[in-house]
Amino acid sequence: RKEVEQDPGPFNVPEGATVAFNCTYSNSASQSFFWYRQDCRKEPKLLMSVYSSGNEDGRFTAQLNRASQYISLLIRDSKLSDSATYLCVANGIGGADGLTFGKGTHLIIQP
Amino acid sequence: GAVVSQHPSWVICKSGTSVKIECRSLDFQATTMFWYRQFPKQSLMLMATSNEGSKATYEQGVEKDKFLINHASLTLSTLTVTSAHPEDSSFYICSARPRGLAGTYNEQFFGPGTRLTVL
Repeated sequence: RKEVEQDPGPFNVPEGATVAFNCTYSNSASQSFFWYRQDCRKEPKLLMSVYSSGNEDGRFTAQLNRASQYISLLIRDSKLSDSATYLCVANGIGGADGLTFGKGTHLIIQP
Repeated sequence: GAVVSQHPSWVICKSGTSVKIECRSLDFQATTMFWYRQFPKQSLMLMATSNEGSKATYEQGVEKDKFLINHASLTLSTLTVTSAHPEDSSFYICSARPRGLAGTYNEQFFGPGTRLTVL
């Protein structure tokens, strides 16, 4: 059974802080990994793909550890607008499968 | 680019009626579309994979006779919830994978979702 596990939080952090959260995946055959952001009652939106070598996009850094089967997301200099639920997502080989979502980590940035 | 629309945005219906939800890729072709469902405070769960011109593939536990999927063209997939009951009330979201997108990092683009409430 393919599963993605995340700490649901909520994580309450002050504006400007750096926050990180991880997720683990159970399917060792998973090839593609993503972080999605979902705002309340909205559809998920792709935040960034996660590459094996790790990748950075502005204030966001994603890391993948295949040996331990976990993925991380680091947010620097957090903004109020970063408040959302962050979904860790895995996909199977070749992309023929639908995505497997974690339940999400709820992040609240406080002024 | 890569915009996916869904209609309706929300629907309220009586128990026993059928509801059709449309998912369209507006600026790209999608041979594969996916239907997800999300209950409150739960993760998105894949219901079925919709392939253009062929039968949909349903996930375990999803009744294919209750959730009818039609993928008649490269830009349109429909999900019909037949004989809807209150327990079918949920947020239904489709996604589309652009045709010809190869490689490992295959992204799916999501529609805005349809919130179904069955009374």
